[in-house]
Amino acid sequence: QKEVEQDPGPLSVPEGAIVSLNCTYSNSAFQYFMWYRQYSRKGPELLMYTYSSGNKEDGRFTAQVDKSSKYISLFIRDSQPSDSATYLCAMSNTGKLIFGQGTTLQVKP
Amino acid sequence: GAVVSQHPSRVICKSGTSVKIECRSLDFQATTMFWYRQFPKKSLMLMATSNEGSKATYEQGVEKDKFLINHASLTLSTLTVTSAHPEDSSFYICSAREQGSSWNYGYTFGSGTRLTVV
Repeated sequence: QKEVEQDPGPLSVPEGAIVSLNCTYSNSAFQYFMWYRQYSRKGPELLMYTYSSGNKEDGRFTAQVDKSSKYISLFIRDSQPSDSATYLCAMSNTGKLIFGQGTTLQVKP
Repeated sequence: GAVVSQHPSRVICKSGTSVKIECRSLDFQATTMFWYRQFPKKSLMLMATSNEGSKATYEQGVEKDKFLINHASLTLSTLTVTSAHPEDSSFYICSAREQGSSWNYGYTFGSGTRLTVV
């Protein structure tokens, strides 16, 4: 079993839709949960991070962590074509990042 | 914000030759840099941790003699793929942590290097 599981998609939605991206994990020691966005042929950029359980909101983006279920989510409201990218979840407790596979999202105008 | 520059962005080399990839922190000092490898539709896999002035720490299964890492200064780490073979073709990405930033989320990634071995 992989430490972090993420559906690779692809996920295609119309502009303005609410997007839900998810990851599950097996290591209960993870305390930090990150979401990265990666455009084609580029390195990942940090979107949001959450410590332990709870929600965090930043503009159109909301990150949720449910440690009891070992499940994290990223919601994107009012999705835009510019949101089209691969979204990777990552987790850490010791400074070593463990990444999910990444979900490819396409937002169609 | 912190910027990490990676060069080249794309390289094609012949089988059996060596290729050097550079990772520079442009506006901060990085005592630690990280090298990842990413296959299509796969997650980033940590290859090694590069420490300034000391030997790199390699992840299990990564060949030290094939992937040579040198972290000669606080702003530069290099990854040399020696005697490259087609199976080494991949997307290589470096990251660096600015001193004082979080050990968990304070990393800046380079733009990656697409290596194709023919």
